[in-house]
Amino acid sequence: GAGVSQSPRYKVAKRGQDVALRCDPISGHVSLFWYQQALGQGPEFLTYFQNEAQLDKSGLPSDRFFAERPEGSVSTLKIQRTQQEDSAVYLCASTPLAGKETQYFGPGTRLLVL
Amino acid sequence: TQLLEQSPQFLSIQEGENLTVYCNSSSVFSSLQWYRQEPGEGPVLLVTVVTGGEVKKLKRLTFQFGDARKDSSLHITAAQPGDTGLYLCAGGSNYKLTFGKGTLLTVNP
Repeated sequence: GAGVSQSPRYKVAKRGQDVALRCDPISGHVSLFWYQQALGQGPEFLTYFQNEAQLDKSGLPSDRFFAERPEGSVSTLKIQRTQQEDSAVYLCASTPLAGKETQYFGPGTRLLVL
Repeated sequence: TQLLEQSPQFLSIQEGENLTVYCNSSSVFSSLQWYRQEPGEGPVLLVTVVTGGEVKKLKRLTFQFGDARKDSSLHITAAQPGDTGLYLCAGGSNYKLTFGKGTLLTVNP
């Protein structure tokens, strides 16, 4: 069966460019999470959706980061005016129900900002 | 702020050796999870422990949750090259996971 997929897998951006990262969760999964994993670090929570509702965005590092899930399935993480410190792997995870269950992670998008 | 500290940060051993990695928290979590992450992939859940003092075994892997639910250990017996990867612990609080920095394990053939 299909797992969580993310695209693109790799993205190189010039400083100041806007980027959009896509996450396709497991079909039917209600909850979706975004994490940021810097080199040599564990993943850090960014935001949480239950269906189309963004219930927690406390981990977004600045107002340049924006996430949406308009139809309760696919989600997009957008970063405006990228900075070098945004370079990281961005992971998406989904769970079947309200988010307390096992999180299934995608392979991540590796973003490099030059 | 809840923090999880993992040790050691790096571990390189020979095939067949035993090893233990540790995860210590400044706070109590409702559950603690261990993940393994391979290069270019997302973390994959190995085990969830929820009860203080709990011990779980998964083939050659043994997981312990401390009595006070603030620390955990992962013991691998007779390590194999396929065990190579980044081992992450994560504390669960409602829906949110707080991860440690991980232990990067290399098992040399």
